[in-house]
Amino acid sequence: EAGVTQFPSHSVIEKGQTVTLRCDPISGHDNLYWYRRVMGKEIKFLLHFVKESKQDESGMPNNRFLAERTGGTYSTLKVQPAELEDSGVYFCASSQDLYYGYTFGSGTRLTVV
Amino acid sequence: AQSVTQLDSHVSVSEGTPVLLRCNYSSSYSPSLFWYVQHPNKGLQLLLKYTSAATLVKGINGFEAEFKKSETSFHLTKPSAHMSDAAEYFCVVRGSYIPTFGRGTSLIVHP
Repeated sequence: EAGVTQFPSHSVIEKGQTVTLRCDPISGHDNLYWYRRVMGKEIKFLLHFVKESKQDESGMPNNRFLAERTGGTYSTLKVQPAELEDSGVYFCASSQDLYYGYTFGSGTRLTVV
Repeated sequence: AQSVTQLDSHVSVSEGTPVLLRCNYSSSYSPSLFWYVQHPNKGLQLLLKYTSAATLVKGINGFEAEFKKSETSFHLTKPSAHMSDAAEYFCVVRGSYIPTFGRGTSLIVHP
């Protein structure tokens, strides 16, 4: 089966610009998670979708971040406007149900300059 | 509430010697526990998982981990390190439904 796909793999943008990250989960996986790792820090939870609904978005840092999941398939994470501290690696993961492991994508490395 | 502590930020071993990466957890629920590995410029790959079945879990590439409830630990071991094992390793606990990551342990393997 195809894995979790994220793109772009790298993005370099200027402060104040908008960036949209995309995640395509494994087909049939209802659960989709976004995580972020800021350089040198731990991997932090951002939010969790079950199908198209946001189950938990307690980790979203502020209202400059907007996540959507269209029709329960792919998900996008938009940062608008981007700030320097948003730089990091954004990971997406999907899971069939709560008893299976999570399959992670390769991540998007975002650099805000 | 749940948390996970990886006791070492870096572990250095010689090729052919045993590997031990330590992980302690806390959880209000019966947890599921995972180990992931990230090689440079790669994504996170699942090594193994514990989900309340056998307490000794075998994973890929010769790694295994033992769930010890009394010690709230889930240490990762491998009998003999290879150069290709050099990577960052993450212990993950899921108590409710959101997995929580440890800070990661960088494994350095010397020839």
